[in-house]
Amino acid sequence: QKEVEQNSGPLSVPEGAIASLNCTYSDRGSQSFFWYRQYSGKSPELIMSIYSNGDKEDGRFTAQLNKASQYVSLLIRDSQPSDSATYLCAVYSGTYKYIFGTGTRLKVLA
Amino acid sequence: EAEVAQSPRYKITEKSQAVAFWCDPISGHATLYWYRQILGQGPELLVQFQDESVVDDSQLPKDRFSAERLKGVDSTLKIQPAELGDSAMYLCASSRTSGGAGADTQYFGPGTRLTVL
Repeated sequence: QKEVEQNSGPLSVPEGAIASLNCTYSDRGSQSFFWYRQYSGKSPELIMSIYSNGDKEDGRFTAQLNKASQYVSLLIRDSQPSDSATYLCAVYSGTYKYIFGTGTRLKVLA
Repeated sequence: EAEVAQSPRYKITEKSQAVAFWCDPISGHATLYWYRQILGQGPELLVQFQDESVVDDSQLPKDRFSAERLKGVDSTLKIQPAELGDSAMYLCASSRTSGGAGADTQYFGPGTRLTVL
């Protein structure tokens, strides 16, 4: 079992729709959770971090964390073509252990 | 806004040659990470420094790769000799690691795209 799992996609959504990206992790001791956006040929860019169970909203983005189910998700409301990118989930388990998923490719169709 | 600096941005080399990448983290960030990312995959940690000390180099191919952060600030990653399979994006990231909320957040530099011919 991979430590951080994401569906590779592509996930295709129409413009204006809600995109839902999911991530599961195996280490129950994980403390911090991050979503990064990566455009083709570019480096990852931090979108959001979340540390406690529940929802965290920032503009069109909402991160959701459920530690009991070892599940973290990212919702993108009113999706735009400029949101088309690969979204990386990263999990920090403390003691310098930081693991990335393989990413989900999102395509927003105009 | 402070950023992680990397150079060069692009590097083309022939196999068996030596290559070196440089990274300057955000000022005050104690932890520095070198990642390798192959197209279609997530970043893979090569080496992690806390100040000048290596805290994780378990995935670093030590027969050909080396990394240093002598003064605990900037860092160099070297490959000698380069192989065809080393073609990838090499990413540097940094984090504060201590000092309250958000200390464990990593920020990435622009990366170095390496092509080995």
